[in-house]
Amino acid sequence: QVQLKESGPGLVQPSETLSLTCTVSGFSITSSSVHWLRQQSGKSLEWMGRMWSDGKTSYNSVFISRLSINRDTSKSQVFLKMNSLQTEDTGTYYCARNLYYYSGDGGFDYWGQGVRVTVSS
Amino acid sequence: NIVLTQSPATLSVTPGESVSLSCRASQNIRTGIHWYQQKSNESPRLLIRFASQSISGIPSRFSGGGSGTDFTLSINGVESEDFSIYYCQQTYSSLYTFGPGTKLELK
Repeated sequence: QVQLKESGPGLVQPSETLSLTCTVSGFSITSSSVHWLRQQSGKSLEWMGRMWSDGKTSYNSVFISRLSINRDTSKSQVFLKMNSLQTEDTGTYYCARNLYYYSGDGGFDYWGQGVRVTVSS
Repeated sequence: NIVLTQSPATLSVTPGESVSLSCRASQNIRTGIHWYQQKSNESPRLLIRFASQSISGIPSRFSGGGSGTDFTLSINGVESEDFSIYYCQQTYSSLYTFGPGTKLELK
């Protein structure tokens, strides 16, 4: 079955870099897009960026200067790196999958359980 | 950026009632809208795809409608497990955005 699982540190120092890994199973990351999203406490969801099935990336302009997304197809992993973290970057980070349909990009049909990240000294 | 506005922010209902949640887009997005349910401390769950397409495994009491700028998620007979937050999301633009959510709470 399709699964995604995020992993990474729960605590990051201000100004440091956040590194997260999304490990997927049940589908190939060379066939589907994998996205990163963030949810600050008590707030809505924020799309950060995506790894396309062909290896290209797209980013939300809000994060473009400090975010990079990469992948390792042999390990079915997609990576997020975001630098210059501040306290407002505290939140839960999710990876999720979507598929392309005739009508366009579909919604996120599978999500990871999320990883809670706190930015604090 | 396409801005999504959801109303009401909070909806207080009793089990068995039927409700409609609204999502409005800042520009025409055809049917590029999807609906999610998020329970406390859980990941979001996709309920409806492309405004009105049902998702396998989602109870039939959930339905969606609308096109252009105005969209609705309907729950026909709210059950106790439905009390949670509902978000709409657009994928019409490559810069995906979400609405602020509607909290469905027990009256």
